[in-house]
Amino acid sequence: SQQGEEDPQALSIQEGENATMNCSYKTSINNLQWYRQNSGRGLVHLILIRSNEREKHSGRLRVTLDTSKKSSSLLITASRAADTASYFCATARDSSYKLIFGSGTRLLVRP
Amino acid sequence: DTAVSQTPKYLVTQMGNDKSIKCEQNLGHDTMYWYKQDSKKFLKIMFSYNNKELIINETVPNRFSPKSPDKAHLNLHINSLELGDSAVYFCASSGTDSGYTFGSGTRLTVV
Repeated sequence: SQQGEEDPQALSIQEGENATMNCSYKTSINNLQWYRQNSGRGLVHLILIRSNEREKHSGRLRVTLDTSKKSSSLLITASRAADTASYFCATARDSSYKLIFGSGTRLLVRP
Repeated sequence: DTAVSQTPKYLVTQMGNDKSIKCEQNLGHDTMYWYKQDSKKFLKIMFSYNNKELIINETVPNRFSPKSPDKAHLNLHINSLELGDSAVYFCASSGTDSGYTFGSGTRLTVV
């Protein structure tokens, strides 16, 4: 079964606006990762946040992690049409290398 | 220079046939994976190898058999293909405590 559930399933915003996607998971984790998938392509790793971290930034991306609520959010600031893609969260429960993916959020950024 | 390359990109075959998908990574990663993405975009892990040793074998039909001749290669052989095997199969690799690097996927269509 899927470890993560993402919310919303789909999001449509205007270029320049911020996009926020949420991920909830069920079990304790070692780390949580976010990936982007453009249509018809493979997944691209965006950011990894460890269970002892609360916030991480990478360019226009900001990820938060709340282990008490078993949730994470991905914020994309000043969105661009090129940000249109599906975004997945994935959790690693331990050092077993196994990543379990959420159901994904489809983001559409309108020019 | 492609980091994780998998071939073929598209595979259309008849039910009952046997087919293979090849994957190679040039990142020096110790761990490689096969994931299956279904029509609803759910990603599910199938297998994982660490330094040529099978470490994850999810509930996958015996018709699927991975083979890792060395740590840079992880191939997937599928016997007696069924309609339900139609999906996109992704190869990925990872280093210690890092995100995954995915290949661009193999779209398998069984007719």
